[in-house]
Amino acid sequence: TQLLEQSPQFLSIQEGENLTVYCNSSSVFSSLQWYRQEPGEGPVLLVTVVTGGEVKKLKRLTFQFGDARKDSSLHITAAQPGDTGLYLCAGAGPGGSNYKLTFGKGTLLTVNP
Amino acid sequence: SQTIHQWPATLVQPVGSPLSLECTVEGTSNPNLYWYRQAAGRGLQLLFYSVGIGQISSEVPQNLSASRPQDRQFILSSKKLLLSDSGFYLCAWSVSRGRVLFRKLFFGSGTQLSVL
Repeated sequence: TQLLEQSPQFLSIQEGENLTVYCNSSSVFSSLQWYRQEPGEGPVLLVTVVTGGEVKKLKRLTFQFGDARKDSSLHITAAQPGDTGLYLCAGAGPGGSNYKLTFGKGTLLTVNP
Repeated sequence: SQTIHQWPATLVQPVGSPLSLECTVEGTSNPNLYWYRQAAGRGLQLLFYSVGIGQISSEVPQNLSASRPQDRQFILSSKKLLLSDSGFYLCAWSVSRGRVLFRKLFFGSGTQLSVL
């Protein structure tokens, strides 16, 4: 059973376009993190959201945590080729454990120049 | 500053051969340590995690084992590799002390294992 569903799985866009990717679950998470991974490298943390309804901005990236803490979205404005990568969401828990993160399968984003 | 080292970067092994992947963390003490596997560049599957020396929790039954002989050393092993063990293996660490609401994971650069 996949606890975190990410959509779309693949996204190919032109430089300058806007995009939104989604991370959904039927479970409540105490926190949710977004990572970006480049080929042949380990994922790198972008942001952590903790409070339901929370919105965080990181330059052109906007992250939102759903009110019920079951879902999250990542919006990128004016995408650039450097944004290309695999975007992974990861939830702490469920069940109260914060030793482990459950990862989604990711959205593979390609931004064409 | 903290760093995590994982080696080798790539490994090609025949079916039935043993495996040993090593991960070490510098610049912190008593970290939580993790082994993840990623198939075909997609989602990460947690294999093992450790909250202390000699303490290993296994998440999925499999052909692999893990050990933590020292505080900042985490080893992934197999006695006999299977074709299905191929994948991208990632070691990670997180802070363990104090009351935290969430755990940031810091990943190594991974080992691409091909079992032929």
